[in-house]
Amino acid sequence: ELKVEQNPLFLSMQEGKNYTIYCNYSTTSDRLYWYRQDPGKSLESLFVLLSNGAVKQEGRLMASLDTKARLSTLHITAAVHDLSATYFCAGETHRDDKIIFGKGTRLHILP
Amino acid sequence: EPEVTQTPSHQVTQMGQEVILRCVPISNHLYFYWYRQILGQKVEFLVSFYNNEISEKSEIFDDQFSVERPDGSNFTLKIRSTKLEDSAMYFCASSSQGPEAFFGQGTRLTVV
Repeated sequence: ELKVEQNPLFLSMQEGKNYTIYCNYSTTSDRLYWYRQDPGKSLESLFVLLSNGAVKQEGRLMASLDTKARLSTLHITAAVHDLSATYFCAGETHRDDKIIFGKGTRLHILP
Repeated sequence: EPEVTQTPSHQVTQMGQEVILRCVPISNHLYFYWYRQILGQKVEFLVSFYNNEISEKSEIFDDQFSVERPDGSNFTLKIRSTKLEDSAMYFCASSSQGPEAFFGQGTRLTVV
């Protein structure tokens, strides 16, 4: 079964800095998702990555997918406090009608 | 913008009691899901539902759990005899095609 591993699980960083969250997955994944979750809130879809080399950007967040390495990254550029949240990577295989989530990366951006 | 609606937002129940969590998926969606998230932990798949039947379920989804789409608009998750470890946030999700789903706001279930 697909396994999804994220690292780091916790990240504290200063505003204005850049950082990357890594997501490794164990078997071929047809799609790779990134979600944001604020404390006590639901899951907000950020990106859906479908193919090798896919890169998507929204504001200060950029996600990429390398299917050969089974790796996706979420890059944060010039972090701002509003980006503080937990970010989940999740994968899906065509065989399975479900999404498998990583443990999440709790991002804390210090003003 | 269409959204998945869940009620109640918070449910407190005594151990051993039955609870029903309710969800109204987006109207033209055909695939429905329940996930749960124990506080501070990762989101775990429970069950998927398509064409009025379960298409997949996890080990967590044992005989104490059931799902139903009683009237063509609601999608419910029933836990027959709640245990303390059932305390979690339960998310309903729906999609028009496959697991890329829109999530509801969640129901926080507290079993005491």
